[in-house]
Amino acid sequence: GNSVTQMEGPVTLSEEAFLTINCTYTATGYPSLFWYVQYPGEGLQLLLKATKADDKGSNKGFEATYRKETTSFHLEKGSVQVSDSAVYFCALSPQTGANNLFFGTGTRLTVIP
Amino acid sequence: DARVTQTPRHKVTEMGQEVTMRCQPILGHNTVFWYRQTMMQGLELLAYFRNRAPLDDSGMPKDRFSAEMPDATLATLKIQPSEPRDSAVYFCASGLAQGLAGNTIYFGEGSWLTVV
Repeated sequence: GNSVTQMEGPVTLSEEAFLTINCTYTATGYPSLFWYVQYPGEGLQLLLKATKADDKGSNKGFEATYRKETTSFHLEKGSVQVSDSAVYFCALSPQTGANNLFFGTGTRLTVIP
Repeated sequence: DARVTQTPRHKVTEMGQEVTMRCQPILGHNTVFWYRQTMMQGLELLAYFRNRAPLDDSGMPKDRFSAEMPDATLATLKIQPSEPRDSAVYFCASGLAQGLAGNTIYFGEGSWLTVV
């Protein structure tokens, strides 16, 4: 089946610290992988995505590389800001189907000045 | 700026009352999803539609929940009767399924439901 396992939070970092949020997946075939971000009181927004192995998605200083050999899609940012405080969700979309997303449990990030 | 629109944004209702949540997907999108978010369960897929036809509603409690798409611009999620355990944020999302993986789905801001 399809599932996503995500690093449990919460994660608290100081401003300008390095961020890694781990995400591994189980899927049949070749899924696409996503990171969504949810700011307080808002819906989920696409942060970045990768559709095939070795692709790197990037946006707003965040990066994640699709690693098929380790079935991982870890999110990284070199220097976090207070405004990055949010909940981050890793998700996969199966290779075929109605492009439904399977989500991880979410990781809450708090960045302190 | 195209976006998924949900109403109401916030709803407080008494147990036993009917609740209807509405969603306007992004124009041209052919797939609509309903998700529920709670602290305990995280994000759960309740139902989704393609070209207005229900594809999967296995995540939805059938005895009290129903989801429909009366037309391409409107999706509804109804709870009747509502119970306190239904308190959650309900998200609608839409996307354009073109037979390929990797198509992005876009979320609305959610309907925050409290059943007392």
